[in-house]
Amino acid sequence: SQQGEEDPQALSIQEGENATMNCSYKTSINNLQWYRQNSGRGLVHLILIRSNEREKHSGRLRVTLDTSKKSSSLLITASRAADTASYFCATGGSGYSTLTFGKGTMLLVSP
Amino acid sequence: GAVVSQHPSWVICKSGTSVKIECRSLDFQATTMFWYRQFPKQSLMLMATSNEGSKATYEQGVEKDKFLINHASLTLSTLTVTSAHPEDSSFYICSAGIGVIRAGQPQHFGDGTRLSIL
Repeated sequence: SQQGEEDPQALSIQEGENATMNCSYKTSINNLQWYRQNSGRGLVHLILIRSNEREKHSGRLRVTLDTSKKSSSLLITASRAADTASYFCATGGSGYSTLTFGKGTMLLVSP
Repeated sequence: GAVVSQHPSWVICKSGTSVKIECRSLDFQATTMFWYRQFPKQSLMLMATSNEGSKATYEQGVEKDKFLINHASLTLSTLTVTSAHPEDSSFYICSAGIGVIRAGQPQHFGDGTRLSIL
C-alpha cells in the first residue's frame, strides 16, 4: 500500500516565491527521501533525512521531519522556472531495501 | 556519478509482441535494481526487486510470467513484457542502488521507457 501522501497535489507559484510541499506516512521509517521528476523522465534524488533528524538543508532545499506526526515537509526557497516538476516523498523502512513513494506534488513555477 | 541508463526510451508495438527493456548502471555496480510502473500523473508502483544472480522478488499482484526480469550481471537488468496488450501500456522506470544495497538507501533512476501497445 502507498505509504506517503503528499499535499498539495498541485502547486502553482511565481518565480522567486517559496514552495512548500508536505508528506505524511503511516508506519515507522528508517529515513525519508525526496525526489524530483521532470515530465517524462526518471526521478532524481534530492535529499534524505534520517528518522533521528528533524531538519536538513541542501542549497535552496529545506526538509523537516516530525516522526511523532509522521510527516515531512519540503521547502524550496526562491523558486525558479526550472524547479517545475513533480516532487515525491519516499520512505525506507528498516530491514529492507525497497522504497515506498507517495503520490507526488506537481509544482509549476511561472516566470 | 551514479548514472543509470534505460533503453529504449519509447516503444510502440502491436498487441501480442514481447518487449525487452534494459537498465544499465554505467559507472557503478548494482547488486540490486528495481522496476517500477507509473501511470499518468500517478506515483511509482514497485513491480519487482531484481537481484544479480538470483530470481527477482515480485510485488503482490504482479504477474511473474508476464513481466520477466533477468539480472545477469552487476550492471544490467532487463524487464521483458511478454505478449504485451494495451493494458500494459505505461511508463516503466528502473532504479539501482550502489553496491550491496542497504535499507532505505537512495536509488538512482533511469529515464524511463514509455510503452505503448496498439
